[in-house]
Amino acid sequence: DTAVSQTPKYLVTQMGNDKSIKCEQNLGHDTMYWYKQDSKKFLKIMFSYNNKELIINETVPNRFSPKSPDKAHLNLHINSLELGDSAVYFCASSQVAGQGEQYFGPGTRLTVT
Amino acid sequence: KQEVTQIPAALSVPEGENLVLNCSFTDSAIYNLQWFRQDPGKGLTSLLLIQSSQREQTSGRLNASLDKSSGRSTLYIAASQPGDSATYLCAEEGGTSYGKLTFGQGTILTVHP
Repeated sequence: DTAVSQTPKYLVTQMGNDKSIKCEQNLGHDTMYWYKQDSKKFLKIMFSYNNKELIINETVPNRFSPKSPDKAHLNLHINSLELGDSAVYFCASSQVAGQGEQYFGPGTRLTVT
Repeated sequence: KQEVTQIPAALSVPEGENLVLNCSFTDSAIYNLQWFRQDPGKGLTSLLLIQSSQREQTSGRLNASLDKSSGRSTLYIAASQPGDSATYLCAEEGGTSYGKLTFGQGTILTVHP
């Protein structure tokens, strides 16, 4: 039983392309997050949605657009990919924003060539 | 600006040793502190969550403490095993951050037989 799942696990693409990463959680949580882990392994939050509503939007280029069709899904769409977008992207969820543990997905390794 | 620092950056110990990982944070209004484990190429596994009203949490051989006044948390691992080898991350959640976790850089732990 995978609690937080992401697809794809690996994504290799060329500069300028548009790509999406999907995330699903089956924990019944209300809040979902996107984090980015850079080449130095530093993790930083990008976005958070609570019950389909955007509640955290860090300083992220507007080429990144999250979408939450329902509270179990949070997708990340990236336009005009750049070399610097290469990283591992993690999805996470928690029962309610600001309460309780966050559970992370396995990550999506994005490589932009 | 919230900052989280972990010391040491790397630690190598022989099997069976007890060890302590340190985490310091600048946010005086901390709400939660969460410890994670990350294996190479994998996602994050939540180990322990300490709420600001608590001083410590225990799970098996792991014990995490929280001292808000000094801005410090420690993760104590008893009787270390080679399977404990991983990167350990601490992350703090501020009181008004709606679930935003601020991560430390992590401590890379190697337990050798």
